[in-house]
Amino acid sequence: QKEVEQNSGPLSVPEGAIASLNCTYSDRGSQSFFWYRQYSGKSPELIMSIYSNGDKEDGRFTAQLNKASQYVSLLIRDSQPSDSATYLCAVNPPRAAGNKLTFGGGTRVLVKP
Amino acid sequence: GAVVSQHPSRVICKSGTSVKIECRSLDFQATTMFWYRQFPKKSLMLMATSNEGSKATYEQGVEKDKFLINHASLTLSTLTVTSAHPEDSSFYICSARVASGTIYNEQFFGPGTRLTVL
Repeated sequence: QKEVEQNSGPLSVPEGAIASLNCTYSDRGSQSFFWYRQYSGKSPELIMSIYSNGDKEDGRFTAQLNKASQYVSLLIRDSQPSDSATYLCAVNPPRAAGNKLTFGGGTRVLVKP
Repeated sequence: GAVVSQHPSRVICKSGTSVKIECRSLDFQATTMFWYRQFPKKSLMLMATSNEGSKATYEQGVEKDKFLINHASLTLSTLTVTSAHPEDSSFYICSARVASGTIYNEQFFGPGTRLTVL
């Protein structure tokens, strides 16, 4: 089992709809969770961080964390073509030396006009 | 968010030469920086963790003599690809972790350096 798993996609979403991305992780003791957006040919950009169970909203983005079920999700409301990118889920496992992050393989999102 | 810069953004070199890439945290101090590489359409691969004032910690399979890392100050880490070969051609990205004021391990990425070895 991979430490952080994501569906690779592509997730095709009509413009204006909600994109829902999921991520599961294997280390139950993980405390920090992040979503990064990566456009093709560019470096990742941090868009959300979440540390407590429940929802965290920032603009059109909502991160949801459920530690009991070991998943974290990202919702993108009112999806725009500019949201088309690969979204990386990252987790900070407690036993990771040097505070390394473990990344999932990413979910590619395509927002169609 | 915090700003991380990388220089150069793109480099083309001949096989056998060495290439140095700089990573700077512009508006915060970073005791820890990370170096990644990414091949086209592939996931990020962590190469090493760079700690200010101490030796870098390399991931399994990464040659430390090939990829020299120096973290001379709280705002600067460098990666030198020594005797580069075409198989070293890749997208190299650094990230920096905010040194203090947070326990939450947010990492901010630089814009990346695209290395092409001819």
